[in-house]
Amino acid sequence: SQQGEEDPQALSIQEGENATMNCSYKTSINNLQWYRQNSGRGLVHLILIRSNEREKHSGRLRVTLDTSKKSSSLLITASRAADTASYFCATDPNAGGTSYGKLTFGQGTILTVHP
Amino acid sequence: EPEVTQTPSHQVTQMGQEVILRCVPISNHLYFYWYRQILGQKVEFLVSFYNNEISEKSEIFDDQFSVERPDGSNFTLKIRSTKLEDSAMYFCASNWGTGGEAFFGQGTRLTVV
Repeated sequence: SQQGEEDPQALSIQEGENATMNCSYKTSINNLQWYRQNSGRGLVHLILIRSNEREKHSGRLRVTLDTSKKSSSLLITASRAADTASYFCATDPNAGGTSYGKLTFGQGTILTVHP
Repeated sequence: EPEVTQTPSHQVTQMGQEVILRCVPISNHLYFYWYRQILGQKVEFLVSFYNNEISEKSEIFDDQFSVERPDGSNFTLKIRSTKLEDSAMYFCASNWGTGGEAFFGQGTRLTVV
């Protein structure tokens, strides 16, 4: 699999339910970032978790990072119809000081929240 | 809240024509990037720019592509002779430093006909 692979590819839930999306990656990282993209629109930064962090919260978002398994998860609690979007993880590699912040994105998870 | 702005939002061009996509990064940011997203595919890194020079580029960023920061605010991506396969959404991003969150613009949808 490629760097930054999300699963599931698509997720359909009812409003009020929780949505969990997973991301796996292959190389060591400085940090991992989650972005949201509404259809055909720009990328909105949601949360950044550093390689020395295990969990981070922001509002209804909870992100975990397991560097031993090279994986991360994004949990959206109490989902709303407005959360319908594509969600991407992006890794900032740890390249021994030669990284210039280049991000490698996964394929994304398409989340649909039904009212 | 400061934001990255891109113009135009949509550009249609004929194959073989040159296009310039424009971006105004966030003012105190030091690192600038271009990414592209072909419809239905993942976002791909094109190039990073720091201290007035390219710091890293991908295989996609061949001799047809160039970037420039012509003044203290604009950051441009030029495609010299567009191909049909250059049709994509192009995103500009900026960052105050590596290891921090990258802020993306709304994108320019380029359609080559």
